[in-house]
Amino acid sequence: GAGVSQTPSNKVTEKGKYVELRCDPISGHTALYWYRQSLGQGPEFLIYFQGTGAADDSGLPNDRFFAVRPEGSVSTLKIQRTERGDSAVYLCASSLTGTSGRANTGELFFGEGSRLTVL
Amino acid sequence: AQSVAQPEDQVNVAEGNPLTVKCTYSVSGNPYLFWYVQYPNRGLQFLLKYITGDNLVKGSYGFEAEFNKSQTSFHLKKPSALVSDSALYFCAVRPTDSWGKLQFGAGTQVVVTP
Repeated sequence: GAGVSQTPSNKVTEKGKYVELRCDPISGHTALYWYRQSLGQGPEFLIYFQGTGAADDSGLPNDRFFAVRPEGSVSTLKIQRTERGDSAVYLCASSLTGTSGRANTGELFFGEGSRLTVL
Repeated sequence: AQSVAQPEDQVNVAEGNPLTVKCTYSVSGNPYLFWYVQYPNRGLQFLLKYITGDNLVKGSYGFEAEFNKSQTSFHLKKPSALVSDSALYFCAVRPTDSWGKLQFGAGTQVVVTP
């Protein structure tokens, strides 16, 4: 597709369950980012990938959160033993490159997000 | 540590009037500053950025922003607001030591009335 695609758009789960959120970036974008947006707040950085590897995962709140990007394209954010506090909109973004330099315009292209509700 | 502050939760303006959305930042080194806009049920969209050079940056949809180093500000402006500009606006700063980690402000809701 032309833009960043995220599935599911909405996910309702029960406390303690496992959840996977998927992101399909713009074709050719080597950098992929996950952010979390709680109600009334700005997006909060979670992790970003340059290719297949996590270049910075300092924003992951705890070890219940994990993300992969095995082939350098699609990424999956995995949340184990979900808690009510995990309820938020999870945003994915991609960019041409995640490194500094001329090729990086600095612009991130965001998907519409996956709204996670933990009951 | 870097941070971004958007002091106004909401800005109300009449259509045709000038619009200003305020942003101040704190970052070590030279700042990379951005504005994004979020329309209802839509993803965040890039508006403009400041990396270096001219302090007045022009972006999409007639928006511009002025970088002021002495006041550590990066206010977003539009000379004549449209009803369709009603949306949630986010200022963001990127640290020079972590290219992927945009630090966003809390956002400012802009309401433009006809």
